[in-house]
Amino acid sequence: AQKVTQAQTEISVVEKEDVTLDCVYETRDTTYYLFWYKQPPSGELVFLIRRNSFDEQNEISGRYSWNFQKSTSSFNFTITASQVVDSAVYFCALSEGNTGKLIFGQGTTLQVKP
Amino acid sequence: DTGVSQDPRHKITKRGQNVTFRCDPISEHNRLYWYRQTLGQGPEFLTYFQNEAQLEKSRLLSDRFSAERPKGSFSTLEIQRTEQGDSAMYLCASSPLEPLAGANVLTFGAGSRLTVL
Repeated sequence: AQKVTQAQTEISVVEKEDVTLDCVYETRDTTYYLFWYKQPPSGELVFLIRRNSFDEQNEISGRYSWNFQKSTSSFNFTITASQVVDSAVYFCALSEGNTGKLIFGQGTTLQVKP
Repeated sequence: DTGVSQDPRHKITKRGQNVTFRCDPISEHNRLYWYRQTLGQGPEFLTYFQNEAQLEKSRLLSDRFSAERPKGSFSTLEIQRTEQGDSAMYLCASSPLEPLAGANVLTFGAGSRLTVL
């Protein structure tokens, strides 16, 4: 069965600190996609990144970076120099087969204090 | 395009009543998904449509739940005889149909929060 685990329930940091959100997944598919979504207090899930199983290059977008390691089935997300506006719940998700549906982790609540 | 719209945003009802939620996806998106999210949890898949065809239903979707997408555009999710355990945020998402469906990026609506008293 496919599964996504985000072991960190809540993380609290002070502004400008770096923070890494962990994500571990399980799948039997050889081709799959991984995603990160952000859910701010307003509630709407916002897409951040999609990564396919054949591309293990790390990706950087501004203060955000992602580390995909197939050997450990992990897809971790790092925010550099965190800001108060980064406070949100972050979800890691795995696509299932050809349905396009997503299997979400439990989410990590990030609180960035000024 | 205004994105995925959901209505109502919040519904309070008494146990045993029926409720209906509506989702208007992004117009050119073929696929439409319903998810349920309870407090402190990630969204859980309920069902999805490709155009007007309902292709999969989760076992979470009891016989009190029914979803439709009659013309392949908007969708409705109805819950009959609501129970307190149905209290949750109901999220709708849509996506285009890509050659590799697993690559679909889902665009979510703001959700419809249901409170059953």
